[in-house]
Amino acid sequence: QKEVEQDPGPLSVPEGAIVSLNCTYSNSAFQYFMWYRQYSRKGPELLMYTYSSGNKEDGRFTAQVDKSSKYISLFIRDSQPSDSATYLCAMNSGNTPLVFGKGTRLSVIA
Amino acid sequence: DTAVSQTPKYLVTQMGNDKSIKCEQNLGHDTMYWYKQDSKKFLKIMFSYNNKELIINETVPNRFSPKSPDKAHLNLHINSLELGDSAVYFCASSLRGKDSPLHFGNGTRLTVT
Repeated sequence: QKEVEQDPGPLSVPEGAIVSLNCTYSNSAFQYFMWYRQYSRKGPELLMYTYSSGNKEDGRFTAQVDKSSKYISLFIRDSQPSDSATYLCAMNSGNTPLVFGKGTRLSVIA
Repeated sequence: DTAVSQTPKYLVTQMGNDKSIKCEQNLGHDTMYWYKQDSKKFLKIMFSYNNKELIINETVPNRFSPKSPDKAHLNLHINSLELGDSAVYFCASSLRGKDSPLHFGNGTRLTVT
């Protein structure tokens, strides 16, 4: 089993929809969880950063971590065409390098 | 602008050549990294430096040699380029170590012909 699994998509939704992106992981030592957004031909940019379990909200974005299920999610409310990008989850235990998922390609259609 | 900047943006070269990619960050971060992103978009760490000291050296051919002249710069030199080296190489930095989020540059797209 890979350390971090993420469905590559592509995921296509209409503008205004709620988007749910997910990752599962196998290493129970992971404590730091991040979501990055990567536009075409650009570097990944940090969207959300959470420590341990729980929810974190920032504008239209909500990150959820369920450590008991080894499952993390990113929700995007009122999705916009400008949200079209690849979303990468990343995580580590704090003393190991970040491990990235393969990314989910999202298209929001106007 | 505060950022992680890397040059060149595009690099096309022939097999067997030697090339370098440069990276600079003005965020005041202590740790810098090189990542490789393959054609399937998978990001994999290659090297990490903390205050000019190598702290991570993943299983990377020794044709790849990082150099950090100071904590704001991390360069990547690649000898004897091979077709399989074609990828996008990202430089990144973080404030502290492994529990800090990464800030990425915009990548260097290397094509080896």
